[in-house]
Amino acid sequence: GENVEQHPSTLSVQEGDSAVIKCTYSDSASNYFPWYKQELGKGPQLIIDIRSNVGEKKDQRIAVTLNKTAKHFSLHITETQPEDSAVYFCAAIDGGSQGNLIFGKGTKLSVKP
Amino acid sequence: NAGVTQTPKFQVLKTGQSMTLQCAQDMNHEYMSWYRQDPGMGLRLIHYSVGAGITDQGEVPNGYNVSRSTTEDFPLRLLSAAPSQTSVYFCASSWSRGQGNEKLFFGSGTQLSVL
Repeated sequence: GENVEQHPSTLSVQEGDSAVIKCTYSDSASNYFPWYKQELGKGPQLIIDIRSNVGEKKDQRIAVTLNKTAKHFSLHITETQPEDSAVYFCAAIDGGSQGNLIFGKGTKLSVKP
Repeated sequence: NAGVTQTPKFQVLKTGQSMTLQCAQDMNHEYMSWYRQDPGMGLRLIHYSVGAGITDQGEVPNGYNVSRSTTEDFPLRLLSAAPSQTSVYFCASSWSRGQGNEKLFFGSGTQLSVL
């Protein structure tokens, strides 16, 4: 089955700096890679996703890149703000289980004012 | 529109007790799932359902049962609670597992402690 590795586990940046979180996946058949943001005491929420036929996708200050050959994808947050502080999860489709999402272990991002 | 509703928000059990975590969605989603979240372990899939009457096991199904008698409800049962089941449990749903419908909507979670 699919295995998703996520790094780093914690990340601290100054307000206004950029933040990058990286993930690798094992199943070459995976074709969908979402990113979720979890604020304290809440459930995760989808912030951006990318499919395997696209190399990059942007939405305002966030972007995701995908390298299918290397089987890794990354989340980029520019001009970070204190409200970006949260836990971020990457995920990939497990092709062998009717399309369930398999999550990475999460990255706790802290943005210091 | 309530989305995905989980009850209770908090629960304390003694070892060996049983209980049911409730999950309901009002979006007519076919797919529903249960995840547990543990520190340093991320979100791990317990059980899932692709429609009423259909359930299957995820990554960590031992000690849990599920059923799906209606489209809206997907309860998670702990048969005999163990301290290892102390965790935060999330229910999530989506339209289906087909391409374009993978976005998961999560509930706000149930924090369970087993003493």
